[in-house]
Amino acid sequence: KAGVTQTPRYLIKTRGQQVTLSCSPISGHRSVSWYQQTPGQGLQFLFEYFSETQRNKGNFPGRFSGRQFSNSRSEMNVSTLELGDSALYLCASSWGLAGPGEQYFGPGTRLTVL
Amino acid sequence: DAKTTQPTSMDCAEGRAANLPCNHSTISGNEYVYWYRQIHSQGPQYIIHGLKNNETNEMASLIITEDRKSSTLILPHATLRDTAVYYCIVRVDNFNKFYFGSGTKLNVKP
Repeated sequence: KAGVTQTPRYLIKTRGQQVTLSCSPISGHRSVSWYQQTPGQGLQFLFEYFSETQRNKGNFPGRFSGRQFSNSRSEMNVSTLELGDSALYLCASSWGLAGPGEQYFGPGTRLTVL
Repeated sequence: DAKTTQPTSMDCAEGRAANLPCNHSTISGNEYVYWYRQIHSQGPQYIIHGLKNNETNEMASLIITEDRKSSTLILPHATLRDTAVYYCIVRVDNFNKFYFGSGTKLNVKP
C-alpha cells in the first residue's frame, strides 16, 4: 500500500511569509505527527493529531500550527517565517491507538527561508 | 528531553554484525524501546521495537537487558546500504510523541 506522502517536497520562502505543508497518511491511519529536523537541534516533535484533534504538542511557538481533516490528511502552517525555520519537516502516520505501534515517516518537505 | 544515550558514531565491516548500544536508564515500566534509522535526510525508517523481551524481525534483532536500562540493536550482516544514523527512542506514554536523540552514525565499510 502507498506510504506517507508529503507535498511539496521543496519550498523556498522569505522571512515574514507564511507556509502550509501537507501530509497524507497511510490509508487507515488516524494519527499524524509532525517533526522538524535541523542540523543543530536534530529531530524535534512538533505536534500530533488524532481524529482531527491535537493530542500532543511539543515546545514550539504559536507560529507553528496544524490541523487534521476528516480523511486524516494533515496540514501544518508556519506564520511569520524566520531564518531559523529552515529545516526538513517530516510527518509520520500510525494507527494511533493505545499500546505499541510503529510510526511511518514520509520523505519530508525541505523548507528554505531566505 | 531525549531519554536515551547512544555513541556518536561506529564503524562496521561489511558482512559483519553491527551491534549498536543504547542506554535508557530512566525508562518506565510501560515504555517501549524503538529503533529507527535515517539514511541521508530521508524520512526515518522503522526497524524494530520491544518492551522487555528480545525481538527479531527480518531487519534486525533487539536485545533488552533484564533491568531494561539498556538495549542493543543487532544488524546480523551489515551491508553498505545500512550506513545511516540509527536512533534509539523511548516512547513516552501511549501517544506518538517520540524524542529523538542524536543517534549513532553507523559507517559500514567494504
